[in-house]
Amino acid sequence: DVKVTQSSRYLVKRTGEKVFLECVQDMDHENMFWYRQDPGLGLRLIYFSYDVKMKEKGDIPEGYSVSREKKERFSLILESASTNQTSMYLCASRLPPGQGSNEQFFGPGTRLTVL
Amino acid sequence: AQSVSQHNHHVILSEAASLELGCNYSYGGTVNLFWYVQYPGQHLQLLLKYFSGDPLVKGIKGFEAEFIKSKFSFNLRKPSVQWSDTAEYFCAVAYYSGGYQKVTFGTGTKLQVIP
Repeated sequence: DVKVTQSSRYLVKRTGEKVFLECVQDMDHENMFWYRQDPGLGLRLIYFSYDVKMKEKGDIPEGYSVSREKKERFSLILESASTNQTSMYLCASRLPPGQGSNEQFFGPGTRLTVL
Repeated sequence: AQSVSQHNHHVILSEAASLELGCNYSYGGTVNLFWYVQYPGQHLQLLLKYFSGDPLVKGIKGFEAEFIKSKFSFNLRKPSVQWSDTAEYFCAVAYYSGGYQKVTFGTGTKLQVIP
């Protein structure tokens, strides 16, 4: 079974803090993704990475950055947290297109509250 | 970014009623289509997917979806829902843009099944 784990289920931070959200997958997937999930807005892609050291902006990258130093780990960084970044953050991984089912496997999510 | 529309945000059905959730997308090229489900307190997981071939695809738990290319639609159906189908359902479309395969999700439909 593919397993995608996220470092925290719940996190409370203060405005202006630097926040790190960690995601680890154990299935040797090249592709990894960070989404935020908000009521009525569905999942919106923040950043994705097709391989180690590679990153691409998604649809809403402003206020975020990412790091992918190792294949299994993809970190989302909020450089200076703001209240509008209060959300559920989901990490996902998959094999590259054409190499498998193309299904994304999701972690349990981190519910971040910024006060 | 391409768009994915889910017409119903909240659906309430009685057990044994039939279900159809709409999904329309905007991308005119080749797509892979997915329905994911998120049961209360659980991870997002794949319900079914369409890559090519028979436009009627069957997934887990009695769900099916039909790809109608001319209508840019991928509606989800189940002939008889159960209380355990209470969940949020997300349609997703994978397409190529700028050399990468991107995935866009719809805003989700919350299904509540009343016993």
